[in-house]
Amino acid sequence: QVTLRESGPALVKPTQTLTLTCTFSGFSLGTSGLCVSWIRQPPGKALEWLALLDWDDDENYNTSLKTRLTISKGTSKNQVVLTMTNMDPVDTATYYCARMNLAAAGTFDFWGQGTLVTVSS
Amino acid sequence: DIQLTQSPSFLSASVGDSVTITCRASQDISSNLAWYQQTPGKAPKLLIYAASTLQSGVPSRFSGSGSGTEFTLTIGSLRPEDFATYYCQQLHSLRDLTFGGGTKVEIK
Repeated sequence: QVTLRESGPALVKPTQTLTLTCTFSGFSLGTSGLCVSWIRQPPGKALEWLALLDWDDDENYNTSLKTRLTISKGTSKNQVVLTMTNMDPVDTATYYCARMNLAAAGTFDFWGQGTLVTVSS
Repeated sequence: DIQLTQSPSFLSASVGDSVTITCRASQDISSNLAWYQQTPGKAPKLLIYAASTLQSGVPSRFSGSGSGTEFTLTIGSLRPEDFATYYCQQLHSLRDLTFGGGTKVEIK
């Protein structure tokens, strides 16, 4: 059974750095074709892909946010961490981690429940 | 970056209606398109991938078609649980992933 769960602060101040952790089970990130990705959704708005870490430890980023994002493996082999620097109120959103499966044409086949991050002083 | 434009952004329909949502890509993405359903407060759920392949467990009233730059999601005979927001998503490469702006399907 594949599961993913996001964890991190619910509130951050402007200019701070956000660190979110995705803890997953039921698959190995080392399996060819599997990736873990971060996606966010501001309240009432559309989904926005942020970053991806693939089975070969390659990182890919949304070009418009690339300078602020870092995706990496966590301290445990079943964790992926996203850091976003210089947070702003416009970054207030629900942040999801999801598994991408290239065997299913590069779709996000399993998602975490999401974690709401509010940026406010 | 490839842009995805969904239309309409909102539609009102009745239980039993058939509805079609369109997703247009700013360049050719072959069949690398997926559709998701999202209900309030929940994570998106994968419905269709590779433009027309139904994800396991998804009811057959959902269908997808298209290739290149124009794609459609059709829901035949709407059920109450289908009233949700639908998103398309493209994978041109692992460096270029985007979602459409969403289509909210509401009960008339």
